Amino acid sequence: EVQLVESGGGLIQPGGSLRLSCVTSGFDLNNYAMNWLRQAPGKGPEWLSYISGSGSTIYYADSVRGRFTSSRDNARNLLFLQMDGLRAEDSALYYCARDYEGPVGSVRYTFDPWGQGTLVTVSS
Amino acid sequence: EIVLTQSPATLSLSPGERATFSCRASQSVAKHLAWYQQKPGQPPRLLMYDPSSRATGVPARFSGSGSGTDFTLTISSLEPEDFAIYYCQQRGNGITFGGGTKVEIK
Repeated sequence: EVQLVESGGGLIQPGGSLRLSCVTSGFDLNNYAMNWLRQAPGKGPEWLSYISGSGSTIYYADSVRGRFTSSRDNARNLLFLQMDGLRAEDSALYYCARDYEGPVGSVRYTFDPWGQGTLVTVSS
Repeated sequence: EIVLTQSPATLSLSPGERATFSCRASQSVAKHLAWYQQKPGQPPRLLMYDPSSRATGVPARFSGSGSGTDFTLTISSLEPEDFAIYYCQQRGNGITFGGGTKVEIK
């Protein structure tokens, strides 16, 4: 069974840093691009970052570019999101999600499955 | 940034009824649109992509259509487990999500 489990969230002051982790199981992480997304209460999800299977290609949303950094350790089945310069508007539930594996291959930027999320609250 | 507008915001229906949701893009996304279902306390679940392909394990009562700027998700006959929030998402130009349509029990 494919599983994604995020951790590392918490309460942080504005300007602070957090490092989120996503541990994966049930599939070979080397073969899949992964994504980070977030969802504020009562809002639709927001895509944040894409990282290719090898980690050589990384994209960011404008809202986090220059502040957030994605990385991965395929040998340990781990995905990371380093978040610096946090702002109140970064408060949300943060998810990792895999690119969907369709019948003829991965569908880039289509997300399934998702983890259960880790909550980040930025407040003084 | 492409804005996705979903309507209606809330749909009040009874089990067994047909549900139809709309997602309109501020500019063309070709066929690069997906639909997700989200229940309270759970992450979104992919239902449809591009936009008429059903994701693995999704029942046949779900169907998607459209291209360009106008898309529709249809549930042919609502089951009790279908009462949830539905989001559309485009990947035609950047990646954005709509604000969601909540399907509630009438």
